[in-house]
Order: sequence, then structure tokens, then C-alpha cells
Amino acid sequence: NAGVTQTPKFQVLKTGQSMTLQCAQDMNHEYMSWYRQDPGMGLRLIHYSVGAGITDQGEVPNGYNVSRSTTEDFPLRLLSAAPSQTSVYFCASRLTGTFYNEQFFGPGTRLTVL
Amino acid sequence: ILNVEQSPQSLHVQEGDSTNFTCSFPSSNFYALHWYRWETAKSPEALFVMTLNGDEKKKGRISATLNTKEGYSYLYIKGSQPEDSATYLCAFLYNAGNMLTFGGGTRLMVKP
Repeated sequence: NAGVTQTPKFQVLKTGQSMTLQCAQDMNHEYMSWYRQDPGMGLRLIHYSVGAGITDQGEVPNGYNVSRSTTEDFPLRLLSAAPSQTSVYFCASRLTGTFYNEQFFGPGTRLTVL
Repeated sequence: ILNVEQSPQSLHVQEGDSTNFTCSFPSSNFYALHWYRWETAKSPEALFVMTLNGDEKKKGRISATLNTKEGYSYLYIKGSQPEDSATYLCAFLYNAGNMLTFGGGTRLMVKP
């Protein structure tokens, strides 16, 4: 299994540009989520999904959109990038059904918005 | 947004020392408490998922305890080794198990 994969690994955008961060998992996990990691702030939840067709907001959703058309993929869209969105983005997934399930993280995407 | 706090923020120990960190979380609406180990330039990896008050988990030299009534968990490392150097994150599962909110982490540095 490849686990959780993310592309690209690095990206530089100009203010106002849009882009999509890709996330895929091959573990048949129902739950997928996106976090951003900023110095001194830890990991903060942006959006999450409990299954195909179902998404919901996390702690810091503004400026980001998500969709979940398949179990495997959970892309994160920045519609109009701002410098405040410069961060490292992590996608994660886990099984649902019990509360014992650990979360698996992708390798991260480092985004810089100029 | 719930408050999950970890202390200390950073810790320097000598090889062979034993150490422990604290994670504090809300004592209501508890579903689970996760511990992750995060090495520099890598992704966080799960150490433990704890759901019951009084839970104790162990993996090699690392162990964790959980007190859901008072809202804290301790992570212990016995006989620290340089390869234990990492950031240790705890995370609180709430909202019917749909949201996992992380503490700021404890950064451990073990000197040979």
C-alpha cells in the first residue's frame, strides 16, 4: 500500500492565484481530513470528510474548499491564494467505526504564497 | 475550538534520562486521546490511541496514561535515546469522533 499520498510536495503561488492540493489514500478509509501546520500553532483542522459525498468544516476553513467524489481522493482547493495561506499542508485518513482508529498522515505539501 | 495544551514546549535531556510530558484536554465530550511522534521532515506517526479512563499503553520504552475525568494524559520515555528526538503531539477526538484537535507539541531533544 502507498498509504496517504500528496502532490505536489512544494508549490509557490502569487497572491490571487488558485490551485488544488491533491490527496489520495489506498487503505479504503472512510475518514479523510486536511490540516495546516504553522510555526507555534501546531496542526489545525481545515476540512474533513466522513465518506464520499460528505464534507464538513474544521477549525480554520475560510479560504479553502473541498469535495469528496470518491473514497480514495480528497482534494483541497485554494480559490484565491493569500500570503496568510503560506503553510505546510497535511492530508490524513483513518477508518471510522470505532474510536480506537489511528490517523495516517501524508508527507505534506509546502505552500508559499507571495 | 477546544483547547489542548501540552507541556513543556521543549525539553533537552541526556541519553539515558527518563522523561515525561503532559497533555491537558477538556474533560467533557471525550471520545479518544491520540499520541503521535513527529520527526523532522517526516509526517506524524501514531503512537497510541486511548479511549478509556485509566488506560495505560506501552510500546517499547514509551508508555502513556490517561485520566479522562480530570482531562490529562502523560507520555513517558524510559532511558531516552538520540533516536527519540522528535516532537510528540497529543490530539483530542471530539464532535462524535469527527474532529481531532492537536496540542502544540513537546519537542524532545536527546543529547548523546
